Amino acid sequence: QVQFVQSGAEVKKPGASVKVSCKASGYTFSSYALHWVRQAPGQGLEWMGWINAGSGDTRYPQKFQGRVSITRDTSANTVYMELSSLRSDDTAIYYCGRDDCVGPCYPGAYWGPGTLVTVSS
Amino acid sequence: TVMTQSPLSLPVTPGEPASISCKSSQSLLQTSGYNYLHWYLQKPGQSPQLLIYLGSNRASGVPDRFSGSGSGTDFTLKISRVEAEDVGVYYCMQSLHTPMTFGQGTRLEI
Repeated sequence: QVQFVQSGAEVKKPGASVKVSCKASGYTFSSYALHWVRQAPGQGLEWMGWINAGSGDTRYPQKFQGRVSITRDTSANTVYMELSSLRSDDTAIYYCGRDDCVGPCYPGAYWGPGTLVTVSS
Repeated sequence: TVMTQSPLSLPVTPGEPASISCKSSQSLLQTSGYNYLHWYLQKPGQSPQLLIYLGSNRASGVPDRFSGSGSGTDFTLKISRVEAEDVGVYYCMQSLHTPMTFGQGTRLEI
């Protein structure tokens, strides 16, 4: 079955960078896009970007341009999300989620368990 | 694309129906005929789970008491008979326009 294992919780200082991993299993890794979504404490969901696991093409919201980078390692079936210049309002749970395609593709058919990133001085 | 959900809080009685509205600031209907609007439920302490994709299609394993409808800019999620396990926050999300965007969430409470 489709499963994701995300890296463990992180505590970072303002201005630092964090790299969160999401290891996939149970399907052909390069066949589906993966998204990153975050959720600040008590808040809603926010889309951070997307990677085509096959081609490596990425798309990011303007809000995160220059600060976020999503990459993948096809040999390890793993996607990474790196966020730089961290601020306190980057404190959140970061989720990876996979597309599914029944005709068109749609996001979030499968989700990882989330990784808590805390930014604090 | 701004996604606006209503209500933001929805108290319900088990066995009664419930309905959540989601309106988008741009049409989510692609020329293919598909609406790129999806519904998710996030139960307390859990990751989101997909309920409805492309406007009206139930995801695998989702009970048939959940249904999605609408087209263009106006969409609705309906629960025919609410059960205690349906508690959580419901989000709509659009994936036609970049950036993909979520609604604010609707908290369903028993």
